[in-house]
Amino acid sequence: GAGVSQSPSNKVTEKGKDVELRCDPISGHTALYWYRQSLGQGLEFLIYFQGNSAPDKSGLPSDRFSAERTGGSVSTLTIQRTQQEDSAVYLCASSLVRPLGLDTQYFGPGTRLTVL
Amino acid sequence: EDKVVQSPLSLVVHEGDTVTLNCSYEVTNFRSLLWYKQEKKAPTFLFMLTSSGIEKKSGRLSSILDKKELFSILNITATQTGDSAIYLCAVANAGNMLTFGGGTRLMVKP
Repeated sequence: GAGVSQSPSNKVTEKGKDVELRCDPISGHTALYWYRQSLGQGLEFLIYFQGNSAPDKSGLPSDRFSAERTGGSVSTLTIQRTQQEDSAVYLCASSLVRPLGLDTQYFGPGTRLTVL
Repeated sequence: EDKVVQSPLSLVVHEGDTVTLNCSYEVTNFRSLLWYKQEKKAPTFLFMLTSSGIEKKSGRLSSILDKKELFSILNITATQTGDSAIYLCAVANAGNMLTFGGGTRLMVKP
């Protein structure tokens, strides 16, 4: 497709279960970002992948959160032993990374995670 | 399908100029409109607008929403080189799902 896609669009899970969220970035985009958005306000940065470099995991809120990006394309965000406070919309974005530029991030539609 | 369109795509101005960035939207069950400034990695939150006609202001930045005409503007007065960034507009629906526009790239020259 032309844009960033995410799946599932909605996920309801029980506290303590593991979940996997998927992001398919725009083809050719070397940078991929995961964010979390709660209560309609700020975006909380989670993790950033750029090419073959080690990912920037500085935003992951706990060791229950992990992400990987296989083959420089698709990314999976995994949340283990989910807690109710993990409930949020998880957004993925991708961009080109040009040497001098500030590159627009293109956002996917998000996955709404509800932990009961 | 929810849709957000921003204009212009890019803008080059000189320090001291005033700029107006536009955001129009189509969304089912509108909840709020948000403006972000993207400089490095994570976009930073600027404003959230929920009501028509009420201007939100923060320093040299201000924004207003028109829910009848389905658009918002972001004004920056007395621009500075530090205002150079991509400005993103997003609309949240009743389910709190965000749809982002394509952004406006602003460059402010000294």
